[in-house]
Amino acid sequence: DAKTTQPPSMDCAEGRAANLPCNHSTISGNEYVYWYRQIHSQGPQYIIHGLKNNETNEMASLIITEDRKSSTLILPHATLRDTAVYYCIGTFGGATNKLIFGTGTLLAVQP
Amino acid sequence: NAGVTQTPKFQVLKTGQSMTLQCAQDMNHNSMYWYRQDPGMGLRLIYYSASEGTTDKGEVPNGYNVSRLNKREFSLRLESAAPSQTSVYFCASSESGQAREKLFFGSGTQLSVL
Repeated sequence: DAKTTQPPSMDCAEGRAANLPCNHSTISGNEYVYWYRQIHSQGPQYIIHGLKNNETNEMASLIITEDRKSSTLILPHATLRDTAVYYCIGTFGGATNKLIFGTGTLLAVQP
Repeated sequence: NAGVTQTPKFQVLKTGQSMTLQCAQDMNHNSMYWYRQDPGMGLRLIYYSASEGTTDKGEVPNGYNVSRLNKREFSLRLESAAPSQTSVYFCASSESGQAREKLFFGSGTQLSVL
């Protein structure tokens, strides 16, 4: 099982980059790392995912260490609307029905 | 494009009552999911449907039943509600349930069982 560990909370100044860490030391070779976020009790929203290479999309960048034991989600210019709980999620079995949500990191973007 | 639609948004039940939570998606997705989220916790999978006509148990299936009515709709039924089922319920869908896919979530149903 790809269990993940995240800090419970982080602060970030508006306009600065937010770097959210995640440890997933038990991840296996075919397991993806996903990031979702949940804004104030809304349904979770997909952000990005990766296997071993760094990934970037319009929302964020994902940096995965070479040993794949940890990763960092980067929001390059955080805004107040990015205040949310961010979930770093692993899978087992390589299927979306096996996503394991932890308690995530509450990112508070400060004005 | 509505995405994933859940009804109702709020519901209060008495212990022992039954109800069905409805979920529909308009993205032509094959796979659908029901999660529950308790205060201060992450989401836990109740049931999922990999494709029309199939359903499987997730992490916390006890006390629930599901029906994949057609490709669009996946309902969750509580036959005899208990206070322990007080939670926020989320429905989600994905294209085919394979790795690398995004899950699309509904806005949730807040259920209180008194």
